[in-house]
Amino acid sequence: GAVVSQHPSRVICKSGTSVKIECRSLDFQATTMFWYRQFPKKSLMLMATSNEGSKATYEQGVEKDKFLINHASLTLSTLTVTSAHPEDSSFYICSARDQGINSPLHFGNGTRLTVT
Amino acid sequence: GIQVEQSPPDLILQEGANSTLRCNFSDSVNNLQWFHQNPWGQLINLFYIPSGTKQNGRLSATTVATERYSLLYISSSQTTDSGVYFCAAGGGTASKLTFGTGTRLQVTL
Repeated sequence: GAVVSQHPSRVICKSGTSVKIECRSLDFQATTMFWYRQFPKKSLMLMATSNEGSKATYEQGVEKDKFLINHASLTLSTLTVTSAHPEDSSFYICSARDQGINSPLHFGNGTRLTVT
Repeated sequence: GIQVEQSPPDLILQEGANSTLRCNFSDSVNNLQWFHQNPWGQLINLFYIPSGTKQNGRLSATTVATERYSLLYISSSQTTDSGVYFCAAGGGTASKLTFGTGTRLQVTL
């Protein structure tokens, strides 16, 4: 089945530094990937839609200069949290489809970011 | 955009009991999925069910698209069923999924 791999699974960084999270589709190509964020005991909120070869589409309220998304190939999307602050600490999860729009989304295992 | 609501928000069951989780959505959908999130945060895909009924072991799901709701049934619950259950829906030409608020299930001995 379709596998989405996310790396790293856990990262701790100091306030003011930047962190990059990778999302790979291992056995399929994905022109579109989705990035979600989840705060403790809350639901998953869509941050942005990553489009291969073009700019990402950000949801309302998500700072595009803060959360840089690059989708340079059909199997890799990256999310960079720039100048991280403690309030950016969260669980970040990416997802992608291996088939058309009327097919399930497959999710990575997530990245737990802690900013100290 | 589409709104997704789940009920109940919390549920405590004794092992062996059955339960029904509900997901209501505000618009027509072409994608609806049920997930179980384990304590490590992993989302386990339970069902892709934009319409109809499916069964997988002790779990089954039914989506009535015309009435805009989906149900997840858990029979003979086990302690390993504990965790948070999410439904997520998407519709129209948008390929993204909107998640519901979740149901936190605790199964006790």
